[in-house]
Amino acid sequence: GQQLNQSPQSMFIQEGEDVSMNCTSSSIFNTWLWYKQDPGEGPVLLIALYKAGELTSNGRLTAQFGITRKDSFLNISASIPSDVGIYFCAGQYSGRSQGNLIFGKGTKLSVKP
Amino acid sequence: GAVVSQHPSRVICKSGTSVKIECRSLDFQATTMFWYRQFPKQSLMLMATSNEGSKATYEQGVEKDKFLINHASLTLSTLTVTSAHPEDSSFYICSAAGLAGVWSYNEQFFGPGTRLTVL
Repeated sequence: GQQLNQSPQSMFIQEGEDVSMNCTSSSIFNTWLWYKQDPGEGPVLLIALYKAGELTSNGRLTAQFGITRKDSFLNISASIPSDVGIYFCAGQYSGRSQGNLIFGKGTKLSVKP
Repeated sequence: GAVVSQHPSRVICKSGTSVKIECRSLDFQATTMFWYRQFPKQSLMLMATSNEGSKATYEQGVEKDKFLINHASLTLSTLTVTSAHPEDSSFYICSAAGLAGVWSYNEQFFGPGTRLTVL
């Protein structure tokens, strides 16, 4: 099945640094979602985006829905050790009210104290 | 709110046996539940979508006779892996979608996953 192009694949950063990751697609989505997954756990929803151009924050996290509706980015400011985990973007196609999510391959974030 | 549980969290079984995994939405009614499979260091791959009271819709390449899905109520869906083999070993995650608190009805809330190991 189709997957989103998510980058970078992994990041090693120092505590306190800012982080940026993004997802791109050849298809248009009407919803973009960002999840975090800890080892051995299910994904937890961080931010949901519904409109092109939308910029939404959740604490130190900020995500934007690209104008073209084919991309999204997630920023984490002032990273802390508990930010460690795998971050997934997910897109949902137009016309589906509770439709399928297409997931990116994930960005593994490691934070050095 | 929007809590989804899975049981068991971990199961080890012998090849040829069947394993049932339960997915429950604890504080909301899930009109749709999804089942995903995740191999180590990989992303989530959708296996099937089920609506309460209807037959599940399986993704291409997923054998419906091997992965039996039942969505008998608005709070419970089960996935049964029949005649399991070592290649079925994986992390199985369910999600549920429905009206839930501040999130839009589009949101899927994920369970904690079930680690299946087939010997």
